[in-house]
Amino acid sequence: EVQLVQSGAEVKKPGESLKISCKGSGYSFSNYWIGWVRQMPGKGLEWMGIIYPGDSDTRYSPSFQGQVTISADKSISTAYLQWSSLQASDSAIYHCARYRQVTTLRYFDYWGQGTLVTVSS
Amino acid sequence: QSVLTQPPSVSAAPGQKVTISCSGSSSNIGNNYVSWYQQLPGTAPKLLIYDNNKRPSGIPGRFSGSKSGTSATLGITGLQTGDEADYYCGTWDSSLSAVVFGGGTKLTVL
Repeated sequence: EVQLVQSGAEVKKPGESLKISCKGSGYSFSNYWIGWVRQMPGKGLEWMGIIYPGDSDTRYSPSFQGQVTISADKSISTAYLQWSSLQASDSAIYHCARYRQVTTLRYFDYWGQGTLVTVSS
Repeated sequence: QSVLTQPPSVSAAPGQKVTISCSGSSSNIGNNYVSWYQQLPGTAPKLLIYDNNKRPSGIPGRFSGSKSGTSATLGITGLQTGDEADYYCGTWDSSLSAVVFGGGTKLTVL
């Protein structure tokens, strides 16, 4: 059974750094892209970027380029999303999901449970 | 504003049918496959439809997808109270080089 298990909720202050994780199991983690999706309180889904754990090839949404860093450690089947300096506007739920892409066919087939990040002074 | 346009809400009675539209352009829906996601209250999104009209294993046949030109539609028949959720369409946008989602549609089963 494919599973993506994300790290727990975080409460941080503005300016602090943060790294959240997403651990995959039940499939060959190295061979499938993993994506991150932001969902601000009461709002819709926003694609942040994707990473291919096999070679760490990473693509960012233009909206998030330079704002976050996506990484992965294939040896422990885990992907990461990190911030160097959080802002209150980063408060949201962050979802990781397995991303399938074949030419023009692209979708997220399995999702983690989401990680709530709260940034408040 | 989202790149893909969905109605904010739809409603129908139990047992009835509802459709949810998703409108885009040639840079996204017009030349790429569409997927649909269901997000039940307080839970993570779940894949309902991919490749415009294919259902993953375990998704009931009550859910269907279609695409025509630069628009896509999700159909749900035999509505149940358990179908109350937010529904999102998604696809790739070749101009933005990004996955784009609709703003979401809240389904209420009256």
